[in-house]
Amino acid sequence: GAGVSQSPSNKVTEKGKDVELRCDPISGHTALYWYRQSLGQGLEFLIYFQGNSAPDKSGLPSDRFSAERTGGSVSTLTIQRTQQEDSAVYLCASRLGGMNTEAFFGQGTRLTVV
Amino acid sequence: AQTVTQSQPEMSVQEAETVTLSCTYDTSENNYYLFWYKQPPSRQMILVIRQEAYKQQNATENRFSVNFQKAAKSFSLKISDSQLGDTAMYFCAFLDQGAQKLVFGQGTRLTINP
Repeated sequence: GAGVSQSPSNKVTEKGKDVELRCDPISGHTALYWYRQSLGQGLEFLIYFQGNSAPDKSGLPSDRFSAERTGGSVSTLTIQRTQQEDSAVYLCASRLGGMNTEAFFGQGTRLTVV
Repeated sequence: AQTVTQSQPEMSVQEAETVTLSCTYDTSENNYYLFWYKQPPSRQMILVIRQEAYKQQNATENRFSVNFQKAAKSFSLKISDSQLGDTAMYFCAFLDQGAQKLVFGQGTRLTINP
């Protein structure tokens, strides 16, 4: 596709359920980032994939959060046993790789845990 | 670890005025890139301007310019002749050459009043 695609755009889930958020990066982009943005707040780094290297998971807030990137393309962020404080917009971005390259963002997934 | 700090949570100016948004960062790296992103109410992140750390000349893009002070680790954004469409959240971001982790500040909510 022409841009970064995230699905679903909105997700309402019950507390305690697991959710999966999907990100389709721009074709050929080797770097992929996940961020969490609470209402009106900044972008909290979650995880970063670069090519075949081990991902940088330093921003994942707890072991309920995990992410994978299959075949160097599509990425899935999984939140297990969701809690109300997980409610936020989850943004995905991709970059071509190397330096001086712009990060392109998806529209995000708004997750609401009720 | 690199950190990015935006000390102005909110700013408000009149249309056609000039406004400056502040950003400071902390890093031990010598080669890196800095960015300003805009997030309008649509939630779509848009790159406004970028600066390479090895370049002394400040970047400019039409009405947008930066004041990059490497020794002070400061990277402010100046918007000249502000327009209603400039109303948005503005995020300062840091990309290090090594790990290529993209880190964002907390954001500044800018409102341009008619």
